[in-house]
This record gives sequence, C-alpha cells and structure tokens, in this order.
Amino acid sequence: NAGVTQTPKFRVLKTGQSMTLLCAQDMNHEYMYWYRQDPGMGLRLIHYSVGEGTTAKGEVPDGYNVSRLKKQNFLLGLESAAPSQTSVYFCASNRDRGKFQPQHFGDGTRLSIL
Amino acid sequence: AQSVTQPDIHITVSEGASLELRCNYSYGATPYLFWYVQSPGQGLQLLLKYFSGDTLVQGIKGFEAEFKRSQSSFNLRKPSVHWSDAAEYFCAVGSLGGGGNKLTFGTGTQLKVEL
Repeated sequence: NAGVTQTPKFRVLKTGQSMTLLCAQDMNHEYMYWYRQDPGMGLRLIHYSVGEGTTAKGEVPDGYNVSRLKKQNFLLGLESAAPSQTSVYFCASNRDRGKFQPQHFGDGTRLSIL
Repeated sequence: AQSVTQPDIHITVSEGASLELRCNYSYGATPYLFWYVQSPGQGLQLLLKYFSGDTLVQGIKGFEAEFKRSQSSFNLRKPSVHWSDAAEYFCAVGSLGGGGNKLTFGTGTQLKVEL
C-alpha cells in the first residue's frame, strides 16, 4: 500500500525558478491538502481540494497555485520561487464520510530556494 | 477561528519514565482533536483522535489522551517512554466548515529520550 506519495523528496531551486510538486494517493480519497512546515510554526495549510477539478485557499496561499485534474493527484506549483518558500511541504488526503476523517500524510518534500 | 497551543517546545525524559505533553485548544463548538507524531525525515502519523464520547482515548504505541472541556485541554500521556518515542508531537484541532476536513496544528513538542 503506497498511501500518499510525494515527488520529488528533495529539490534546490534558484530564486525566480518555477517548479511543481506532485502528490499522488491511491486510497480513492476525495479530499487533498498541501501544507508547509517551518521551524516553530507547525504545519500551515496552503491550499486544499474537496474533489476533482476543485481547489480552495488555505491559511498561506500566496505565491502558490494548485491543480487537481485527476482525483488521485494534487499538484502544487511555485511560479517564481522566493527564499521565503524554503520549507518542507507535506501533502495529505482523507475520505469524505460526513464525519471528520483523519488525514493521511506523505513523507514530505524538502525544498530550498537559494 | 480555532487555534492550538503546545506550551512546551522541548521535553526531555528518561527511558521508562512517564510522559505528558500538553495541548490547549480554542474552538467554538465540540472539537475534533488529534495527536500526530513525526519521526525525523518522515511524514505525520496519527496517534489518536477524539470526536465525542469517552474523554479518555487510547491510541497506538501505548499512548492515551484525555479531553477536558473545562480546561480546553487534550494532553497526551504515556506511562513508560521508550527510546523509540523520541520524535516531534503535534496536537491538532479539526473543523468541517467551508468544505474539507481542515486541521489547525500546534507548533509541536520535540521529545528527547535519555537512555
């Protein structure tokens, strides 16, 4: 069981470069999320999706875009990377069953912006 | 808006000693509460959750947590800590409004276990 898989695991970018982080889940979950984790800040929600073709802003959406063209994939894009976006990025997913469902997390992507 | 406070940034305990990690939350309605653990270089793993009912909930790896509404607390406990419990622990509160099952996390408590 793969669960939630994030690609790549590590990446170094230069300021102004663009890149896309991929999250894939094989659990047929409806909901997917992107978080960033910074020292002393916990995890903060960037964007989320409640289904294929839908996205919504979280707590810290600026500088990021997302797309959910397929139910199993949730992409996070940085159009013009900035040093402030150096962070560890986590993807999570959960099913929609009315009652609150715990989120399943990937292992993270460590991103450094120079 | 909901919020979570974990007042202890770092905690060090000896192996075999008991452990209590503190968590206080702010939420208008009955909260959905969670404890997650993160080992170095890994994602977050769910330890336990509270939705309603019995205020003492059991989780994996011998952990338990007690929900106290009067104190707005959801502290995590373990009677005897093992060296493999060294990790970072996050408390979170969940909300259903606006779509999705969104989580608000505390800033985490780093647990060190002395042998």
